[in-house]
Order: sequence, then C-alpha cells, then structure tokens
Amino acid sequence: AQSVTQPDIHITVSEGASLELRCNYSYGATPYLFWYVQSPGQGLQLLLKYFSGDTLVQGIKGFEAEFKRSQSSFNLRKPSVHWSDAAEYFCDVGVNFGNEKLTFGTGTRLTIIP
Amino acid sequence: DSGVTQTPKHLITATGQRVTLRCSPRSGDLSVYWYQQSLDQGLQFLIQYYNGEERAKGNILERFSAQQFPDLHSELNLSSLELGDSALYFCASSVRSGGDTQYFGPGTRLTVL
Repeated sequence: AQSVTQPDIHITVSEGASLELRCNYSYGATPYLFWYVQSPGQGLQLLLKYFSGDTLVQGIKGFEAEFKRSQSSFNLRKPSVHWSDAAEYFCDVGVNFGNEKLTFGTGTRLTIIP
Repeated sequence: DSGVTQTPKHLITATGQRVTLRCSPRSGDLSVYWYQQSLDQGLQFLIQYYNGEERAKGNILERFSAQQFPDLHSELNLSSLELGDSALYFCASSVRSGGDTQYFGPGTRLTVL
C-alpha cells in the first residue's frame, strides 16, 4: 500500500520569502500526485497535480511542484509567499483505477509573518 | 465553488443519536468520497463509492455507513454517536476513480454533546 509523509507539521515564513513544503511518498510504481490547500474553515482545493510527463508542474496561485522519482518526492514551492497563502497544505497520492487506496499526508500548516 | 454541495453545514446532536450527512457531487462525477477531519486524527479517508457501488474503504467505524443513490448523491450515516465523532466531514467527488482529481465540498461540521 502506498503512504505519504509530510515531514513538516508547521512552517513559518516571512511574507515575500520563498517556500518549500516537503512531501515523500512510498509506492511501487509511479503514482498520481496532488497538492491541496485548505484555508481556515474551508474545504480542500486542488493546487496542482502530476500524472506523467514534465516533472515540473505549475499550479494555481503561483505554486509549482517537482516530481523526483529518485527521491520519491513531490515538493511544493513558491518563490514569494503572500499573507493569503497561510493555510494547511496536503500532499496526496492516488493510484490507478482498480487499486483504490487513497492516502493524504498529515498536512503542513503554513504561517506567514509580516 | 467546487460544484460539490453538502448539507447540513452544521449539526449539533447528543451522544447516542444518529445523523445523516448528505452530499451531491459535481455534475457528471461518478465517484464520491467521504473524509473525516479532526484535530487529533487529521484528514482521514472513510469510504468511496463509484457509480453506486462501494469502491474503497478506509478508517470507517462499524457505526458509520454510507451509500450512493442512482442519482449519484451520497449519504453518510453516523449512529450511536460519541463525543469523539465530533469533526468536520468532507465529501469529495471525481469523474471516475483512482488518480482522478477530487473536488471537495465545504464540509459538515458535526458537534456531539
């Protein structure tokens, strides 16, 4: 079965600084990889996803993520964070139709300081 | 707006009671997923239905059950409620299954007193 690890429970960055949120997965084949964001009191919203092809994926709100097969990672990055980016971020692994275990990481809470 | 609707938004009930949470997926989506989010457990996958049939089961208690109806809406039934069942319950839908993007509803906040 696949699993996802988000090593950082809580990260604090200054507004305007760069950001990298880590995600490592464990799965025998190439999974589908997602990053979701949850603002306070809201549901989850998809930021970006990787299925195949170019390993650098662009998402909404200026986020990008890079799939590195050799490191089993799918880290989320943003060059300059805004106060509105304060939220909880979840990495998700999906597998092919027919093997339906669904796995979210434990989440990383992002705090932005002025 | 994701296109996924959940009712009610808030639910307050007492221990031992039974409640039903409702989810309408996006138009055209065949899969519905239920998640529980609590402070101590984080986001936990409960169960998935695809086109009316149970597809995958996660950490769902025996006191909980779900179904997906022919019109593809889904209901999550929680019975013999305990204080620890207080949580946010999210529904998500996707076109098919597996690796498809999931679109989340706004959630139902359940408080058990």
